[in-house]
Amino acid sequence: GENVEQHPSTLSVQEGDSAVIKCTYSDSASNYFPWYKQELGKGPQLIIDIRSNVGEKKDQRIAVTLNKTAKHFSLHITETQPEDSAVYFCAASSHFQKLVFGTGTRLLVSP
Amino acid sequence: EAQVTQNPRYLITVTGKKLTVTCSQNMNHEYMSWYRQDPGLGLRQIYYSMNVEVTDKGDVPEGYKVSRKEKRNFPLILESPSPNQTSLYFCASRGPYYEQYFGPGTRLTVT
Repeated sequence: GENVEQHPSTLSVQEGDSAVIKCTYSDSASNYFPWYKQELGKGPQLIIDIRSNVGEKKDQRIAVTLNKTAKHFSLHITETQPEDSAVYFCAASSHFQKLVFGTGTRLLVSP
Repeated sequence: EAQVTQNPRYLITVTGKKLTVTCSQNMNHEYMSWYRQDPGLGLRQIYYSMNVEVTDKGDVPEGYKVSRKEKRNFPLILESPSPNQTSLYFCASRGPYYEQYFGPGTRLTVT
């Protein structure tokens, strides 16, 4: 079955810096790759997603890139702010019933 | 407001005492699922449901039951809880374009 690996497990940056979180997946049939942000005491919230027919997608300060050949995808956050501090999860899906998550990255943005 | 609700948010119980965690969504989604979140393991799927009366096992179904009698509700049942089921539980529903929405979580402690 699908396996998703996520790195790093923790990431500390200064406010204004960029942050990059990387994930690799194992199932070449995966075609949907969402990213979730989880703030303390809350459920994960979808922040951006990408499908296999697209290589890159941007939404303001957030972007996701996908390399299907290498089976990896990344989340890029530019101009980080303290409110970006949270746990971020990547996930991959090869069919509608199944969404496999990475183990999460704790991002800390220091003022 | 589109949302997934769970109750209770916090629960402390003893080994063997049956409990139910309720989940409800107001987005008319056909697909709903339950996850547990443990440190270092990310989100793991317990059960999912493609529609009313249609349920199936996820990756970690042992010790859990579910039912789907109505489209909006998807309760999680622990008939004989054990300490290894101490965890943070999330209910989720998914729309037709794969976008998934999570509830706020239920923190369960079994002593």
